Amino acid sequence: EAQVTQNPRYLITVTGKKLTVTCSQNMNHEYMSWYRQDPGLGLRQIYYSMNVEVTDKGDVPEGYKVSRKEKRNFPLILESPSPNQTSLYFCASSPSPRLAGNNEQFFGPGTRLTVL
Amino acid sequence: RKEVEQDPGPFNVPEGATVAFNCTYSNSASQSFFWYRQDCRKEPKLLMSVYSSGNEDGRFTAQLNRASQYISLLIRDSKLSDSATYLCVVNRGSSNTGKLIFGQGTTLQVKP
Repeated sequence: EAQVTQNPRYLITVTGKKLTVTCSQNMNHEYMSWYRQDPGLGLRQIYYSMNVEVTDKGDVPEGYKVSRKEKRNFPLILESPSPNQTSLYFCASSPSPRLAGNNEQFFGPGTRLTVL
Repeated sequence: RKEVEQDPGPFNVPEGATVAFNCTYSNSASQSFFWYRQDCRKEPKLLMSVYSSGNEDGRFTAQLNRASQYISLLIRDSKLSDSATYLCVVNRGSSNTGKLIFGQGTTLQVKP
């Protein structure tokens, strides 16, 4: 089944404890992206990747790192999480970096992160 | 001013009604426009892309007005299952930038 998977789905952690949220897609998509969703603010792009070893900052990259060593995986790393990173996180992938026409983004199920 | 603005609603309409949402964007260079649907904090899913000439998919019609910098979504004959949040999505700049801006969403509640 074609899908984007994220792990973990739920995580409660404490300030400063490094964590990684994994994202994997099995559709051979070139483009991958991370978003956070907060009430009243909608989805905001954290980082995106146009292809392997190519990553770029979105609108809210502070406090996050990503890597794209292989096409299928795009992990999100929080080196020192803080309470303001409590949010719902979505990973997404798309066949092409050209975001036009019918080039749909497929989203993972989301990761609900709470930082105490 | 936000780059992409939507009326958050909620829009409460009876079954069978026609409802329209607008979304304004500030970057005149934007080239790609989409409507996504999101159910109750689940993952967003593409509803339809928005083309310059306007496009229709069953009960859903999307329009783009470049002069006034807004896109619209019209839903005819609303069903209970249309209840969701509708997200307006615009790319920033040329189609290849990879940066997407999401509106905060418009919530639709269709009632029996």
